[in-house]
Formats: sequence, C-alpha cells, structure tokens
Amino acid sequence: AQKVTQAQTEISVVEKEDVTLDCVYETRDTTYYLFWYKQPPSGELVFLIRRNSFDEQNEISGRYSWNFQKSTSSFNFTITASQVVDSAVYFCALGRSGNTPLVFGKGTRLSVIA
Amino acid sequence: DVKVTQSSRYLVKRTGEKVFLECVQDMDHENMFWYRQDPGLGLRLIYFSYDVKMKEKGDIPEGYSVSREKKERFSLILESASTNQTSMYLCASFRVRTEAFFGQGTRLTVV
Repeated sequence: AQKVTQAQTEISVVEKEDVTLDCVYETRDTTYYLFWYKQPPSGELVFLIRRNSFDEQNEISGRYSWNFQKSTSSFNFTITASQVVDSAVYFCALGRSGNTPLVFGKGTRLSVIA
Repeated sequence: DVKVTQSSRYLVKRTGEKVFLECVQDMDHENMFWYRQDPGLGLRLIYFSYDVKMKEKGDIPEGYSVSREKKERFSLILESASTNQTSMYLCASFRVRTEAFFGQGTRLTVV
C-alpha cells in the first residue's frame, strides 16, 4: 500500500527563520515519484517539485531545498529565511509509474509571522 | 499556460439537490481526478479516470458519480447532496510520470 505521512500538522515560525517540513512515505514500488505542492489561502494547489526514485540528489531552488533519502523513505522540504508569503498548507505526495492517482499526505500548515 | 478550470469557485446547494461539478483541462492529459479536501483529513480521492469513458473508484466514492465523455472534461456528480458533502473539491489532471495540475477548487456548501 502507498502511504504518505506528514507528522507536523501545524508549524509557526517568525519571519527569517528556517523551517523544515517532514515527509515520510511508504511504497513497495521500485519506481515512484515524490512531489511537493503548496496551497496558499486562495486554495489552488501549486506544484513545487517532482523527484523520481532513481534520483537522490538534493535540489535547491532559491530559498527552497529538498532532501530525498531512500534509506529513511523521507523527502523533506526546507525553507530558508522564511517570509510571510510562505504561509500556506504544504502537501507531500507519492505517485506510481502507471495511470494511478497521487497519494497525498494530510498536509502541514505553515504560518510565518512578521 | 497550462490550465485546469473548475466551473465554480463557490457553490451553495440544498439538501437533496443533484449537483454537477465540472472540470476542464487543456493539456490533453489522459488522467483526471477528483479529490475532496477537509480540515485534518488532507486530500481524499473520490474518483479518477485514465481515459475517456473510463473511471475508477477512489477512497470515498459513496454518494458520488462521475462522467468523462470527452478527454478534456471530467464531471463530478452528487446524486442527492447531503450536508456531509460540504467540502472543498479539487480537480486535477496529469500525464504519466509528470506532475499533476490542479484547478482552483470549488467550495461547496450544502444547506
């Protein structure tokens, strides 16, 4: 069975702090895909990153970075020097290689306080 | 600019009404989905479709049906709306091995 766990329900940080959002996944597939999405107050889910299971390289995009570790089945997301605009619900998701839907975690609500 | 468009942003319906939520994508994606989002429960899959006229039940299909007569359009139908179907509904589409694109969401209130 496929499962994604985001243990942190809500996180609150002060602006300019760094924050890490945790994501742990379960799958028996050897080929799979991991995603992070951001859902701002407007409601639409915005794609942030996709990682396939064969690529364990960490990725950095501006203030965002992702750490993929197959050994611990984790795909954590770090925001450096957080800003108020980062306030949103963040979802981690797991996908398979065929025509199957994504499985989402329950999301982490991040509040960045000025 | 790729797009998934949901027909309504906000909707208020009465208990027992038949409700149609429409979703259209312009990316020629094979796969389309309907999720429901509730506080503390995350996104739960209602139905998905991997081709025209094909559909598969997700985790919570009870009280819902779907229709996919054309590749670009995936409709969610609440046969007889109930108050426990008050929720945010999200439509998405994707091509295999790529990211899913989401619509803006429909916030449905059943009174």
